Amino acid sequence: DQQVKQNSPSLSVQEGRISILNCDYTNSMFDYFLWYKKYPAEGPTFLISISSIKDKNEDGRFTVFLNKSAKHLSLHIVPSQPGDSAVYFCAAPNAGGTSYGKLTFGQGTILTVHP
Amino acid sequence: DTGVSQDPRHKITKRGQNVTFRCDPISEHNRLYWYRQTLGQGPEFLTYFQNEAQLEKSRLLSDRFSAERPKGSFSTLEIQRTEQGDSAMYLCASSFAVGATNEKLFFGSGTQLSVL
Repeated sequence: DQQVKQNSPSLSVQEGRISILNCDYTNSMFDYFLWYKKYPAEGPTFLISISSIKDKNEDGRFTVFLNKSAKHLSLHIVPSQPGDSAVYFCAAPNAGGTSYGKLTFGQGTILTVHP
Repeated sequence: DTGVSQDPRHKITKRGQNVTFRCDPISEHNRLYWYRQTLGQGPEFLTYFQNEAQLEKSRLLSDRFSAERPKGSFSTLEIQRTEQGDSAMYLCASSFAVGATNEKLFFGSGTQLSVL
């Protein structure tokens, strides 16, 4: 049961334009969401998070939007830069667990930003 | 502070052999996690420690897998009698957290295991 889904395996964007990465979830108990970025040969690094009490969180060029009724979140990158080219994962902590570090990840979306 | 360190970076082994991976977390972090990632998938939770106590194990962690964190610092993950299906990237992450609160994981670069 894939509780966190990223249905777009890849996304290609021109430098300077907006990148929009999407994520859907099925577990209505999830109350916190994170985005991680992963470069080849490196581990994932935390990018941005959002609590379910909010519908938007912004950090510089990165904004995450949460639509609880649709069980959908999206990551917007504006403007996109070639250095943003990486795999992006959305994730949610296991609801009701003892640790918020036990994450359920989506399959990832490969973002390529062309100069 | 050099972040989370994992050793080795790559491991090639023959089916049936035992392998052991090591993870050194960020020094002040009390929690340590092991994840596994296969091609085209996101990382999957395997197990976690708070200090030296192993608090949770995934059903993905068969009897052939064992993890330890003997002094609440570094951790080892051992796979006995490896199978080709064990081929994956094994990721370690650490964090500092108290109770069930939102925590930020810091991941190592992983150990890529190939079972021939």
